[in-house]
Amino acid sequence: QKEVEQNSGPLSVPEGAIASLNCTYSDRVSQSFFWYRQYSGKSPELIMSIYSNGDKEDGRFTAQLNKASQYVSLLIRDSQPSDSATYLCAVNIPPGNTPLVFGKGTRLSVIA
Amino acid sequence: NAGVTQTPKFQVLKTGQSMTLQCAQDMNHNSMYWYRQDPGMGLRLIYYSASEGTTDKGEVPNGYNVSRLNKREFSLRLESAAPSQTSVYFCASSEGTGPYEQYFGPGTRLTVT
Repeated sequence: QKEVEQNSGPLSVPEGAIASLNCTYSDRVSQSFFWYRQYSGKSPELIMSIYSNGDKEDGRFTAQLNKASQYVSLLIRDSQPSDSATYLCAVNIPPGNTPLVFGKGTRLSVIA
Repeated sequence: NAGVTQTPKFQVLKTGQSMTLQCAQDMNHNSMYWYRQDPGMGLRLIYYSASEGTTDKGEVPNGYNVSRLNKREFSLRLESAAPSQTSVYFCASSEGTGPYEQYFGPGTRLTVT
């Protein structure tokens, strides 16, 4: 069973704080991991990809991958009200030529 | 570069009616996907096409058919719409299946009464 699990939230953080979003997945040999942001009424938008253990930073976003523990995280520094959205985690779970498996998403609310 | 486009944006159908949702991409991607998204259910894969000329079932294929018309276009058909098919439908494309990021169209909001 291919699974990608996320806490549905809502996760509420004050403006300027760090928001931490977590995702666990079922297969230890997964190789590719993606974070999408989805505003209400809009389509998912790719914001980060990560393939190797460790951290990957892009502006205020940091993706963290720990393959041994089978989790991937997204940190949002200096959270802004405009970051309020649902964040979807997607994982390539083997066999390698099958579509990405998406989590159900975590709803983030940044309070001004 | 329009990316992934979908038509129509909104549609209301009566039970039993049929319709086709259209999707096109201009990124020269090999793979295309149809998802539905319902509150609390996340994205659920209906069908996908790994490459031109191939289609495969996803998690929730019942009640739907697809056609990969050419490399750019992938359509989703509802032959006899049911209220349970009320949902938001997203098309996506990627360079290939597997470890490639997917890019999504703007979605079609479908209501079946």
